[in-house]
Amino acid sequence: ETGVTQTPRHLVMGMTNKKSLKCEQHLGHNAMYWYKQSAKKPLELMFVYNFKEQTENNSVPSRFSPECPNSSHLFLHLHTLQPEDSALYLCASSQEPDRAGEQYFGPGTRLTVT
Amino acid sequence: AQSVTQPDIHITVSEGASLELRCNYSYGATPYLFWYVQSPGQGLQLLLKYFSGDTLVQGIKGFEAEFKRSQSSFNLRKPSVHWSDAAEYFCAVGARSGGYQKVTFGTGTKLQVIP
Repeated sequence: ETGVTQTPRHLVMGMTNKKSLKCEQHLGHNAMYWYKQSAKKPLELMFVYNFKEQTENNSVPSRFSPECPNSSHLFLHLHTLQPEDSALYLCASSQEPDRAGEQYFGPGTRLTVT
Repeated sequence: AQSVTQPDIHITVSEGASLELRCNYSYGATPYLFWYVQSPGQGLQLLLKYFSGDTLVQGIKGFEAEFKRSQSSFNLRKPSVHWSDAAEYFCAVGARSGGYQKVTFGTGTKLQVIP
């Protein structure tokens, strides 16, 4: 595997479910990111991790819980989501956090909350 | 705080025609500027970047962009569009903040290529 991979690619969940999104980067990067992409809205940065430490949380609701066990893996744990949380969730990585503009993105997980 | 505007939501060009996608930014100092492309069902891919130096930068897939400080613009160009260029294009501006670079993305321009 190369680049940034995300699983699952599609996810349908009810509002009471608990699920997790997984991201893995094979680039040796030190910074990882979660984004939310909704139709007709700018890309929203959710979380930033630098060397496994969370360095940014952009006022994301607590129903989204990130986890970064090492610099290659990033998870987004989901629980009691709302329909408005339906979106494409993108994971990205960069060599260092001061090179955040040069990010490598995964293909995303298309999440539908019913 | 920085911001970026992509005034065109949707653009249609004929295959073989030239392309220019507009991007305007707002930032007090010299910005870091980027263009990304997102094909359907895919994540974003970095096309090119500008940090300093030559204001005309070359990227992948035959794209180029020109930084114009006086106009606060960083427009993306391609001399001859191919059908495979149909995608959504995002301009982004980055600003250093301590040891981090804060990146702001535009809302994107969707490119349709017709035969």
